Amino acid sequence: NAGVMQNPRHLVRRRGQEARLRCSPMKGHSHVYWYRQLPEEGLKFMVYLQKENIIDESGMPKERFSAEFPKEGPSILRIQQVVRGDSAAYFCGTGSSYNEQFFGPGTRLTVL
Amino acid sequence: GENVEQHPSTLSVQEGDSAVIKCTYSDSASNYFPWYKQELGKGPQLIIDIRSNVGEKKDQRIAVTLNKTAKHFSLHITETQPEDSAVYFCAASSINTGTASKLTFGTGTRLQVTL
Repeated sequence: NAGVMQNPRHLVRRRGQEARLRCSPMKGHSHVYWYRQLPEEGLKFMVYLQKENIIDESGMPKERFSAEFPKEGPSILRIQQVVRGDSAAYFCGTGSSYNEQFFGPGTRLTVL
Repeated sequence: GENVEQHPSTLSVQEGDSAVIKCTYSDSASNYFPWYKQELGKGPQLIIDIRSNVGEKKDQRIAVTLNKTAKHFSLHITETQPEDSAVYFCAASSINTGTASKLTFGTGTRLQVTL
């Protein structure tokens, strides 16, 4: 986990609001993966990005969800008009080409 | 797509005993198999991994074996200690030179090491 930063650690939103989750990769890592974890379940892939490019978004819902990884700054996972079913822990994993993924501490999103 | 199954879902062992967790995968193109340890309220921590050109890998009390023909791989923890108590996840991915890929995770094994 060392070096991968996520914030906020906890986020509470009311239905219909927007949630923004941030991930700063470990130094030297240019690949970012976002995963969602429901209680008592494994991590489910959402989206894979490299700097300024979305490489694979096959696991991300088509509506309300978007992700970016700008040239400068952290990667952001954005959820618009949140619903109760969006409540989960969201983790980002970062890595370099074909190497291991290291995970951040996660953001726990609660939708009231 | 890839599907990873993991067993058992819970495992209780006495301190000092060994623990074994097993996973199977479906995609023959998968060639990278990491194991993660997740403690309550924390992110997954990579503890060991194995690539398909190797059948076994060991790191102190932890070892992983891979059977490509049967498409299964296992985590072995020897001389378990209370601090080994956590949820363990296996995962599979297809990694090629210069590219990377998403991980497909198993459903997790909750390991409890009792005194």
